[in-house]
Amino acid sequence: DQQVKQNSPSLSVQEGRISILNCDYTNSMFDYFLWYKKYPAEGPTFLISISSIKDKNEDGRFTVFLNKSAKHLSLHIVPSQPGDSAVYFCATNTGNQFYFGTGTSLTVIP
Amino acid sequence: DAGVIQSPRHEVTEMGQEVTLRCKPISGHNSLFWYRQTMMRGLELLIYFNNNVPIDDSGMPEDRFSAKMPNASFSTLKIQPSEPRDSAVYFCASSFEAGGDTQYFGPGTRLTVL
Repeated sequence: DQQVKQNSPSLSVQEGRISILNCDYTNSMFDYFLWYKKYPAEGPTFLISISSIKDKNEDGRFTVFLNKSAKHLSLHIVPSQPGDSAVYFCATNTGNQFYFGTGTSLTVIP
Repeated sequence: DAGVIQSPRHEVTEMGQEVTLRCKPISGHNSLFWYRQTMMRGLELLIYFNNNVPIDDSGMPEDRFSAKMPNASFSTLKIQPSEPRDSAVYFCASSFEAGGDTQYFGPGTRLTVL
């Protein structure tokens, strides 16, 4: 069973607009979440993380929001750029539990 | 640092053959992870080591899979005998600590079992 779920396999957004990628998790004990970005033929690279003591973390154009009551997190990219086109994985890394979602493929259209 | 190094990048083999994937973690990192990526299940953790000791191998699919970490700078994932359903991309990752830390991934090994 998927402990971390990304229900949208793909997303297309116009350049300059906002991209919102969503992620749900099952275990309320998870307390550290990460987003990774993956280009074809490369390994995932770390993008941004958030601890459960926060509900928002921002890094430049990237913001992650955490809603603990809904067990939901989202990644906002503003403004979206063509170079952001990649697969984005949501992950949790809590104690000795490591789960990744199935990924959302983002395409930013110039 | 060169980052996490994996070899080979691509491996094509025939069913029944032994396959060995190799990983060199980032120097100074204490934890090493092996993942398998499939379309259906995304990235699945197979096994992870902390200070060269296997901590959790519950993700290893079956006895055909084995992993070792003889020292802090080298790990192997072996499949014997290989089967077509093992075809996937296998990633190695390392981090300074296991929990609550960023993992750094290698480029992956694309395995095809015919």
